Amino acid sequence: DIVLTQSPATLSLSPGERATLSCRASQSVSGYLAWYQQKPGQAPRLLIYDASNRATGIPARFSGSGSGTDFTLTISSLEPEDFAVYYCQQHTNWPITFGQGTRLEIK
Amino acid sequence: EVQLVQSGAAVKKPGESLKISCKGSGYSFSSYWIGWVRLMPGKGLEWMGIIYPGDSDTRYSPSFQGQVTISADKSINTAYLQWSSLKASDTAMYYCARGGGYHDSSGYFQPDWFDPWGQGTLVTVSS
Repeated sequence: DIVLTQSPATLSLSPGERATLSCRASQSVSGYLAWYQQKPGQAPRLLIYDASNRATGIPARFSGSGSGTDFTLTISSLEPEDFAVYYCQQHTNWPITFGQGTRLEIK
Repeated sequence: EVQLVQSGAAVKKPGESLKISCKGSGYSFSSYWIGWVRLMPGKGLEWMGIIYPGDSDTRYSPSFQGQVTISADKSINTAYLQWSSLKASDTAMYYCARGGGYHDSSGYFQPDWFDPWGQGTLVTVSS
């Protein structure tokens, strides 16, 4: 199975700052990586698919980059509603696997 | 609007059976894969399996094969996740989500992302 390692586990930032979240795969997933946001009490929401494509309705401050084994989710300027848990997911090999998540909290 | 609505929270005892549901609306339910994902307290997301309601083709994660059964009734746009004998370790939030797989142009079955997700069903197993 492909293991996805997200870092940091927790990221403490203030509104208006730039957030950079990392997802590293144990083997190449090419460009087949998705990112999700989960707020407390809510279901996960797709943000990014195929490493860099924003899902429908996702604000432009969210961007994804990377290929192979190293991927980044960047939030250019944090809004109060962006503080949540973020997961990456690879969709290149079976079984589908997720990272363990990064908690983005208000500093 | 594409929407998945899951059944309500369940509290069960070890050894009991349970079937939770996920009803789709706003799209052709038979034409998209539906996946199930587990979120245990303090843990990350885990993919359990997917089903194609059009023909009930089902694929399981090796970690969940034999532990749960995934099914669907396309006549009522509903997918199901069931246990025959629950354990305390099955206590978790369970999500359904559209997607998870597709057949590419060569006919190979490929994994995919999930969008949208149901609101989740909390399953608590305790004696």
